[in-house]
Amino acid sequence: DSGVTQTPKHLITATGQRVTLRCSPRSGDLSVYWYQQSLDQGLQFLIQYYNGEERAKGNILERFSAQQFPDLHSELNLSSLELGDSALYFCASSPSSPGTRGNEQFFGPGTRLTVL
Amino acid sequence: GENVEQHPSTLSVQEGDSAVIKCTYSDSASNYFPWYKQELGKRPQLIIDIRSNVGEKKDQRIAVTLNKTAKHFSLHITETQPEDSAVYFCAAHEGSNSGYALNFGKGTSLLVTP
Repeated sequence: DSGVTQTPKHLITATGQRVTLRCSPRSGDLSVYWYQQSLDQGLQFLIQYYNGEERAKGNILERFSAQQFPDLHSELNLSSLELGDSALYFCASSPSSPGTRGNEQFFGPGTRLTVL
Repeated sequence: GENVEQHPSTLSVQEGDSAVIKCTYSDSASNYFPWYKQELGKRPQLIIDIRSNVGEKKDQRIAVTLNKTAKHFSLHITETQPEDSAVYFCAAHEGSNSGYALNFGKGTSLLVTP
């Protein structure tokens, strides 16, 4: 158990719908990262938050957004869902802070999203 | 941005043999290279990592080597066991100052047969 929690474990929804995925980082970790894992694209970085602020953006679609709350949990919002959005969504946390690079990232168990 | 290539995509070895997985990266500013093991349906788990100021690191049956000049790093597993069967991902830490995201290789599916 990495100490990172994610809910829900599974989510089945229809095209055009909107869903919210939730992540709680390890105690004391200030950074949260979101990754998408699909069969053909592997693990792709979406977005990073550090202590409530967006720090980096990867291959995140405009239909997707995220935020990190004062208690450091994070939510990833996916809207106007398409079949191709079906994937495993992982969040990871690390204690990294500005000026500290290369900290370990610990992954949560993931949310499996199925869009029908 | 950083581009990480990983080979081979699949690897089958007999129990007790060694397994080697190789990765190359493109951004010379990358300075952190972790390896993750992912079993079917589970989370990626960090198994070993190496930083750019070190050439080699070992942890029991697992070792990682880094060649900064050639921009490649490798995972070595000795005395493989069936429970080593999983997908292994290499990653490189984004070298820019915009954040600390990991760029992953496509993964190597390792099968260890008894």
